[in-house]
Amino acid sequence: GENVEQHPSTLSVQEGDSAVIKCTYSDSASNYFPWYKQELGKRPQLIIDIRSNVGEKKDQRIAVTLNKTAKHFSLHITETQPEDSAVYFCAASSTGNQFYFGTGTSLTVIP
Amino acid sequence: NAGVMQNPRHLVRRRGQEARLRCSPMKGHSHVYWYRQLPEEGLKFMVYLQKENIIDESGMPKERFSAEFPKEGPSILRIQQVVRGDSAAYFCASSPTRGTNYGYTFGSGTRLTVV
Repeated sequence: GENVEQHPSTLSVQEGDSAVIKCTYSDSASNYFPWYKQELGKRPQLIIDIRSNVGEKKDQRIAVTLNKTAKHFSLHITETQPEDSAVYFCAASSTGNQFYFGTGTSLTVIP
Repeated sequence: NAGVMQNPRHLVRRRGQEARLRCSPMKGHSHVYWYRQLPEEGLKFMVYLQKENIIDESGMPKERFSAEFPKEGPSILRIQQVVRGDSAAYFCASSPTRGTNYGYTFGSGTRLTVV
């Protein structure tokens, strides 16, 4: 089955700086890569996603890049704000029947 | 649209009891997915169901766990004879069609504590 690895496990940045979270996957059949944000005690919420026919996607301060050859994808958050503090999960899927999640990155934005 | 509804939000069970978790999908959605999140870990797939059918249960433990999604009513995840290791947050999600590659919406989860 698919194996998704995520780094770093914790990340602290100063407010206004950028944050980058990286994930790798093992199954070359994976073609859909969503990112979720989870605040303490709450549900994971989709923040951005990318499909394998696209190399990069942006949505305001958030962007995701995908390198299919190297089997890795990254989340970029620019101009970070304290409300960006949360745990971020990457995931990969080939069929849509199930997602394989990374182990999460706890992001802290220091005011 | 009320979104994906899960209940109860919190459930405390003694070891050996049964836990029943409910998930009502979004309106118009007939596919339900259950995930388990152990403390400070990522989400692990458990089971994917369509109305009256289990499509993929490859992530479900072979013993004590079962799931159903009847023609009428919510999807139920049932854990028999709970043990401390079952303590986790259980999230469900729904989608309108099978195998759709989009970021489905999760419910608020049920946090199961086994004492």
